[in-house]
Amino acid sequence: TAGITQAPTSQILAAGRSMTLRCTQDMRHNAMYWYRQDLGLGLRLIHYSNTAGTTGKGEVPDGYSVSRANTDDFPLTLASAVPSQTSVYFCASSDRPSTDTQYFGPGTRLTVL
Amino acid sequence: GQNIDQPTEMTATEGAIVQINCTYQTSGFNGLFWYQQHAGEAPTFLSYNVLDGLEEKGRFSSFLSRSKGYSYLLLKELQMKDSASYLCAVRDSNYQLIWGAGTKLIIKP
Repeated sequence: TAGITQAPTSQILAAGRSMTLRCTQDMRHNAMYWYRQDLGLGLRLIHYSNTAGTTGKGEVPDGYSVSRANTDDFPLTLASAVPSQTSVYFCASSDRPSTDTQYFGPGTRLTVL
Repeated sequence: GQNIDQPTEMTATEGAIVQINCTYQTSGFNGLFWYQQHAGEAPTFLSYNVLDGLEEKGRFSSFLSRSKGYSYLLLKELQMKDSASYLCAVRDSNYQLIWGAGTKLIIKP
């Protein structure tokens, strides 16, 4: 099984441009998450979705938006990228949001110039 | 504020034992996770503790003391493939995971 896939693997983006990071899971998990990982810092939650049709803000939501139209897909959009959004972005999922282990996708390395 | 502390880096010898500590101060506690992350890869789940005590899983064990806000990950019979970062994360009262910055473990032959 594929588990969680993310696209693209890496991207260089000009500041001010918009971009959507894609995340798809085939485990039929209810909950999905977007994190960013920066050197010297722990993973920080950007947005989450406990079930299809609902989303919530995490620790660092500013500059990002998400949607959850169905169970499998959870895209993350940067409306107008800034250099501080340069990071590695991980998508994760879990079956039950409050109790289950989170499983991670391979990540997207984004550089904003 | 919420805080997870881990050593930044540790070095150990192949075949030896290493203990990676994690201390936490969070708003509530609903379990503690350890993940392994090889360079350039995704974090992968290692262990979960919600009650005090030791959980053993092969060469890896994880210990929790809720009263002390403390956990450790014990790796035995170290192998070169264990060179990775080890991430400690606590599920808080809102059931969100709060992550430490990770401990980079370097294994030397």
